[in-house]
Amino acid sequence: GQNIDQPTEMTATEGAIVQINCTYQTSGFNGLFWYQQHAGEAPTFLSYNVLDGLEEKGRFSSFLSRSKGYSYLLLKELQMKDSASYLCAVMDSNYQLIWGAGTKLIIKP
Amino acid sequence: DVKVTQSSRYLVKRTGEKVFLECVQDMDHENMFWYRQDPGLGLRLIYFSYDVKMKEKGDIPEGYSVSREKKERFSLILESASTNQTSMYLCASSFGELPYNEQFFGPGTRLTVL
Repeated sequence: GQNIDQPTEMTATEGAIVQINCTYQTSGFNGLFWYQQHAGEAPTFLSYNVLDGLEEKGRFSSFLSRSKGYSYLLLKELQMKDSASYLCAVMDSNYQLIWGAGTKLIIKP
Repeated sequence: DVKVTQSSRYLVKRTGEKVFLECVQDMDHENMFWYRQDPGLGLRLIYFSYDVKMKEKGDIPEGYSVSREKKERFSLILESASTNQTSMYLCASSFGELPYNEQFFGPGTRLTVL
């Protein structure tokens, strides 16, 4: 079966760095997405990786290793507004998105 | 900015009622999707559409149907609501040309079936 694993919850301190991991087993691979979802709101797109390596976008970076079935989202200089759930999703061979359950990130002052 | 709107943020219905959830996008996107989101589970695809009057079943279509009569509008229908359909329903849309285009989501409808 297809499976996306990510930690249920993480806690970090304002101003620090946090890494949210995502491992996947899917039928084929056509890219990996990260979305941010604040409580009660719609998910919003953060990043897309299809090749191995690190993609940096401001305070957020996303890394992919296709051979290991692994990705992480790195958030630097954490701010209170970064408190949200972070969703990992993989596009399979049929171009369908398989979603992880999300990681709830709690930022403490 | 792309905007995806959903007809209701909160909805309470009785078991057996027919329920309509409406979704409208204003960016001429070809693709539209309906998901449900439940605690501890990833988003699960109910139905999607790549074109007007076209629909494809997702992972959990049972108990649902959809309608896409116009490009901007995608409706989700619960023919006879049941308590296990209590959930958050999210609509999304994306451009059709590239399969890896990001999906834009609506704010969601929290449906409670009593």
